[in-house]
Amino acid sequence: QSALTQPASVSGSPGQSITISCTGTSSDVGSYNLVSWYQQHPGKAPKLMIYEVTKRPSGVSNRFSGSKSGNTASLTISGLQAEDEADYYCCSYAGTTTDFGGGTKLTVL
Amino acid sequence: EVQLVQSGAEVKKPGESLKISCKGSGYSFPGYWIAWVRQMPGKGLEWMGIIYPGDSDTRYSPSFQGQVTISVTISADKSITTAYLQWSSLKASDTAMYYCATRRGPTTEFDYWGQGTLVTVSS
Repeated sequence: QSALTQPASVSGSPGQSITISCTGTSSDVGSYNLVSWYQQHPGKAPKLMIYEVTKRPSGVSNRFSGSKSGNTASLTISGLQAEDEADYYCCSYAGTTTDFGGGTKLTVL
Repeated sequence: EVQLVQSGAEVKKPGESLKISCKGSGYSFPGYWIAWVRQMPGKGLEWMGIIYPGDSDTRYSPSFQGQVTISVTISADKSITTAYLQWSSLKASDTAMYYCATRRGPTTEFDYWGQGTLVTVSS
């Protein structure tokens, strides 16, 4: 069982926006602005999409954005595209360790 | 361009030893942490531990560091810009994809990822 809780799946149509939540505790998400998000296509390595809650690495589309409120972080993807269909993982520093969420499968309908 | 190139897939028997590698290039290898992440078949990502090649400072996830023994060992050779993950006695439950990734610091995000090494342990 993962330390961070994500919905198992979300879906949306092309052009729509979706949000994936990541619920932790006051020991991880709630205490540190060190939440990151990763995209993983089948058979591929994960790719960093968001770091330090809201920052986007160079080269990542501005359709991806992150936020946090209390113990819950969120990843929002706007203007959904077929290529966004993938698994998404949140991650947070937790004092003495680093925790990942269980992952969310995004389906673009 | 930052690149992490991992060694190839391995098939081993329970009880055997194994060492897999991750070669970094395109950046100052001693100055960035290297992390190892496990992904069991059909499952999510798990952080195993990290090493700072500059001084070999190594930290393990509590999940991979038993009370008496460490189930895996992380090491690095900065002279050949390569990090390693090794097992002294593999178990079937070690079957997984293993990724290496860079981190600016021990608490920061995983910036760049290797392509992964698939380890299969079966009798």
